[in-house]
Amino acid sequence: GNSVTQMEGPVTLSEEAFLTINCTYTATGYPSLFWYVQYPGEGLQLLLKATKADDKGSNKGFEATYRKETTSFHLEKGSVQVSDSAVYFCALMDSSYKLIFGSGTRLLVRP
Amino acid sequence: EAGVVQSPRYKIIEKKQPVAFWCNPISGHNTLYWYLQNLGQGPELLIRYENEEAVDDSQLPKDRFSAERLKGVDSTLKIQPAELGDSAVYLCASSSNPLVTYNEQFFGPGTRLTVL
Repeated sequence: GNSVTQMEGPVTLSEEAFLTINCTYTATGYPSLFWYVQYPGEGLQLLLKATKADDKGSNKGFEATYRKETTSFHLEKGSVQVSDSAVYFCALMDSSYKLIFGSGTRLLVRP
Repeated sequence: EAGVVQSPRYKIIEKKQPVAFWCNPISGHNTLYWYLQNLGQGPELLIRYENEEAVDDSQLPKDRFSAERLKGVDSTLKIQPAELGDSAVYLCASSSNPLVTYNEQFFGPGTRLTVL
């Protein structure tokens, strides 16, 4: 079945460090891919998305590229801030419009 | 514009008791979703509604869980009786039209259930 695997956390970085959170997927067909973010005490928010191979989603300095050949959608940011501390979820949307999430990666950015 | 509203935000009950969660989606959103999020895990879909119709309830444990969306607007998810393993966060989300290639789902803050 369809599934998403992302790196375990927590990921702890100093402010202005480079961030990579790995995400790989297993799916039939060509799913749309997403990154959601969950700030403490808040609901999930869509961070970025890509709907076809080689698409790059970007938002708030975060980027991820849909790599069909490696079935990956890694999240990157060049310079993290303390305010980026949150839990990040990679997800795919299957052919029945169901979102399938990874287990989440907690990011902690220290000043 | 108001987001997805859920209540209560927190609920503590004893096992075998019933519990209900309420969700009001974003105005105009026809599609409503209930997700279960266990600690340290990503959300898992329980049920999806298109207006009043439950179009995907394959993951809903129907022996103890039920849901309704009578007028195609707000929705209630019920557990009766609750078990210890039901302790989790219950998320509600809505979107305007899933038949578009991609249609963003907007999530509420969730209800954190603790079963003692």
